[in-house]
Formats: sequence, C-alpha cells, structure tokens
Amino acid sequence: EAGVTQSPTHLIKTRGQQATLRCSPISGHTSVYWYQQALGLGLQFLLWYDEGEERNRGNFPPRFSGRQFPNYSSELNVNALELEDSALYLCASSFSGSSYNEQFFGPGTRLTVL
Amino acid sequence: AQKVTQAQTEISVVEKEDVTLDCVYETRDTTYYLFWYKQPPSGELVFLIRRNSFDEQNEISGRYSWNFQKSTSSFNFTITASQVVDSAVYFCALSEGTGRRALTFGSGTRLQVQP
Repeated sequence: EAGVTQSPTHLIKTRGQQATLRCSPISGHTSVYWYQQALGLGLQFLLWYDEGEERNRGNFPPRFSGRQFPNYSSELNVNALELEDSALYLCASSFSGSSYNEQFFGPGTRLTVL
Repeated sequence: AQKVTQAQTEISVVEKEDVTLDCVYETRDTTYYLFWYKQPPSGELVFLIRRNSFDEQNEISGRYSWNFQKSTSSFNFTITASQVVDSAVYFCALSEGTGRRALTFGSGTRLQVQP
C-alpha cells in the first residue's frame, strides 16, 4: 500500500511569491493535515481538511490556505512568502473510521524562501 | 490547553547502551491518545506507537518499550541495546478526545547513537 506522497520535494521561492505544495493521502484516508516544521520551532499544526472541508486551522495568518479535492488529495498555498516561511512542510493523513487519530506522514516538502 | 514537554533536547549514547526518552503531557480531557514518532535524517515522521488514556498497560516490542503513567502524566520511551540506526529525532504527541484532530507535538529529542 502506497504511503502519503508529497510534491515537490524541494521548492525555492523568493519573498513575495506564492508557493503551492501538494499531498496525496493513503488510499482510504479522507483526512489530510498540514504541519510546519521550522528550524527551532518544532512541529506546528497548520490546517486540517476532511471530506473536502476545512475542519480546523492552527495559529497561522490567512495567507496560508489550502483545499482538498474530491479524491482527497490536498494543496497548501502560501501567499506573499516571507523569509520565516522557510521550513519543512509535512502532510499527514488519517482514516475516517479511526477513533485513535493515528496520522501517517509523508516525506515533506522543504520550502526555502530567499 | 494541551501541552507536551520533552525536556531532553539531545541525548548521545554509545551503541548497545539503553536510552530512555521522556515525555510529559498536560490535558484536561479524560480521553486522549499519546503517540511516539521517529524522524530520521530523511525528514519523514515514522509512527511508532499509540496509547489511549484508558490503557496503562506498558508494552515491549523488540528493543522498544513504553511506560505510560497517568499519575505522573508521563509517556516515556526506552530503546534497549541502541543501534546507530536509531539515531533520529523522536517526537511525543498528544491528541485530545476521540476522533480525528490535530496532534500537539513536543519539541523533540535528538538521539545520537555513536558506534
């Protein structure tokens, strides 16, 4: 069974540009979560999508947004990039029928903002 | 509010030593789940174990064991006879309530196993 996949692996942008990161969950998983892992800040929750809807978001500005498609894949968009957006962005998925909330992570997209 | 504390920033051991990673959590919920994840240098978080708040049975799986104690709000992880391949950052995480929701992670413990 294929795991969570993310693309691209690396992304280099300049300040003010927009970045789009993509995630495909494990087959059968309907929930997708996005986390940011910035240097020195640990893993911070960004967004949670389930069944095409945004269910919750973390303490991030509105320029961080995303969506979930009918096939449950997801995009994370970051507008007006700032230097501090440089981080590893991890996507995770979980099974809708699970009460345990085990989340399985992808390999991440490393975003560098110059 | 929920919170996870991993007081050990970095641990260095020599191969074959036993090592314990500490995790202390805070939550107001009576139902919650605790997790350990491993993040090798490649960056991908690997799920290791889940425990729910009603199951204090400790577990041993090969060289790994977990000690969950509600009385002290701790969920510690021990590697027996460590190996170089165990070198990674280990994260403890908490999920309050049942069902799907975001995880709250600790700051991680970097484990270096020297040959």
